[in-house]
Amino acid sequence: EIVLTQSPGTLSLSPGERATLSCRASQSVHTNYLAWYQQKPGQAPRVLIYGASTRATGIPDRFSGSGSGTDFTLTITRLEPEDFAVYYCQQYSTTPRTFGQGTRVEVK
Amino acid sequence: QVQLQESGPGLVKPSETLSLICTVSGSSLSKYYWSWIRQPPGKGLEWIGYIYYTGGAQYNPSLESRVTISVDMSKNQFSLKVTSVTAADTALYYCARMHCSNNSCFDYYWGQGTLVSVSS
Repeated sequence: EIVLTQSPGTLSLSPGERATLSCRASQSVHTNYLAWYQQKPGQAPRVLIYGASTRATGIPDRFSGSGSGTDFTLTITRLEPEDFAVYYCQQYSTTPRTFGQGTRVEVK
Repeated sequence: QVQLQESGPGLVKPSETLSLICTVSGSSLSKYYWSWIRQPPGKGLEWIGYIYYTGGAQYNPSLESRVTISVDMSKNQFSLKVTSVTAADTALYYCARMHCSNNSCFDYYWGQGTLVSVSS
């Protein structure tokens, strides 16, 4: 099973700032089958990025994904008020699919 | 648009079977993979398993002995059964339609989730 470790656990930032979230895999994620999800309180997760760097339909271009192998990054260039949420990475390279434990982006 | 709605009992007794249904609208079950994911209160996400519309399924090894996912094409629904539940199975259960890109699939459209508590 691929274990995903996200860091930091919590990111305290102000609107307009840049957010950089990390996801590290315990073994290489084949073909960069890595997705990022955003979850707001009381809502289901929403896919932001898949294939490590492809934005899902309707996702603003302030969200970008990068990385390969075992190290992946989600960057939010300028935080908007609606971006404060919990973010999860997920690998879909192998079964079982696994998620990271999440990074909370909170208002500083 | 694609919509998924989970339904089922909100309370299940320990050792009994948890049964949930996901009703899909705006999409046929055909040609897609369908999954279940759960989230214990205040915690992270756990993948349970997925099924192809033809019936082939894959499960999380940690749950495989207790989990069954099936499809009902006539009702445009798929279902989840978890046997011998304990308090550790208390969670918000989500169903999802998977999107396949470059020969692999991830969870794209999600239902709103249904909370299942295990308690006597």
